[in-house]
Amino acid sequence: GENVEQHPSTLSVQEGDSAVIKCTYSDSASNYFPWYKQELGKRPQLIIDIRSNVGEKKDQRIAVTLNKTAKHFSLHITETQPEDSAVYFCAARNLYSGGGADGLTFGKGTHLIIQP
Amino acid sequence: DTAVSQTPKYLVTQMGNDKSIKCEQNLGHDTMYWYKQDSKKFLKIMFSYNNKELIINETVPNRFSPKSPDKAHLNLHINSLELGDSAVYFCASSAKKPGTVDPRHSTDTQYFGPGTRLTVL
Repeated sequence: GENVEQHPSTLSVQEGDSAVIKCTYSDSASNYFPWYKQELGKRPQLIIDIRSNVGEKKDQRIAVTLNKTAKHFSLHITETQPEDSAVYFCAARNLYSGGGADGLTFGKGTHLIIQP
Repeated sequence: DTAVSQTPKYLVTQMGNDKSIKCEQNLGHDTMYWYKQDSKKFLKIMFSYNNKELIINETVPNRFSPKSPDKAHLNLHINSLELGDSAVYFCASSAKKPGTVDPRHSTDTQYFGPGTRLTVL
């Protein structure tokens, strides 16, 4: 099955600086890579996703890059703000597969702390 | 805001009891999921369910059983609760049927419910 590794587990950056979170995946059949943000006591919420036919996607201060050959993808947050503080999860999935539990395989999360 | 709801929000119970968590989505989605988030925040898929087709993660004990009375609901029943079952359980839904191709990227998105914090004493 798929295995997703995520680094770092904790990331502390100064407000206004950029933050980068990296993930690697093991199953070359995975073709969908979402990123979720989870604030304390809240549900995970999708912030951006990318499919394997795209190398990069951007939405305002958030961008995701994908390297299929190396099987890794990254989340980039620029001009960080206090409200960006949360746990961020990467995930991977094969959209064309009906096997397994067909859910998302998540990384273990990154606790992003924005220092004022 | 997303329209995936769960009840109860908190559930405290004794070992050995049987309990249920309810999930409802009014998004018209055709696939629903259950995830478990442990004390270390690790999120893991337990089940996905679409049109009476249940896909089970092989690591889930058979004490856990999802029940879907209709397309908008996927309830989670847990028998003989154990200490290790303590976690936050999230229901989720998406518009995509497992194993199919859908050109509308937005339908791949899984929307999560608010979670149910289960504590087994």
